[in-house]
Amino acid sequence: DAGVTQSPTHLIKTRGQQVTLRCSPKSGHDTVSWYQQALGQGPQFIFQYYEEEERQRGNFPDRFSGHQFPNYSSELNVNALLLGDSALYLCASTSGLPPYGYTFGSGTRLTVV
Amino acid sequence: RKEVEQDPGPFNVPEGATVAFNCTYSNSASQSFFWYRQDCRKEPKLLMSVYSSGNEDGRFTAQLNRASQYISLLIRDSKLSDSATYLCVVNDFGNEKLTFGTGTRLTIIP
Repeated sequence: DAGVTQSPTHLIKTRGQQVTLRCSPKSGHDTVSWYQQALGQGPQFIFQYYEEEERQRGNFPDRFSGHQFPNYSSELNVNALLLGDSALYLCASTSGLPPYGYTFGSGTRLTVV
Repeated sequence: RKEVEQDPGPFNVPEGATVAFNCTYSNSASQSFFWYRQDCRKEPKLLMSVYSSGNEDGRFTAQLNRASQYISLLIRDSKLSDSATYLCVVNDFGNEKLTFGTGTRLTIIP
């Protein structure tokens, strides 16, 4: 049973560029959340997608946007990259059904130079 | 005030010792509580949920005190493999997001 898969695993971008990160949820899960984890910090909630719509959003600027596809996979897009966007980006999926809980992917490590 | 606060450590503990982590949360309406474990440069993984009655899983015991808005994790007979960062996580009722503390780094010393 495949867990949450994310791609790419590592990425280096230049300040001002745009980036797209991808996530495939665990089989049976229909809800995808994205988190940003800066070095030495806990993950911070970016947004959650359910039924192809953004259901909730954290305190992140509009440069961060997302999309969910009919197969429940999701993309995170970040425009006009800043050095401070360097972080581990984690995707988490859940089914909303018992047993409740979120499964995290191994993340995409983004470095902005 | 941070929504979820943890002592960042690091905690350096000899193998076989007992170690306790504490966490406080600010929203009294918070509904669900968890401890996650995160190994270096890996994703967080659920260690255990935390219930008001307290719960135990092998060497791990979690406690919740709603009146004090306080969560704890106790690890007995610590093993080298317990070395990791332990994240306190809170989920509010009707809220889709998980709120993480900054994590407490634990190193078990042989």
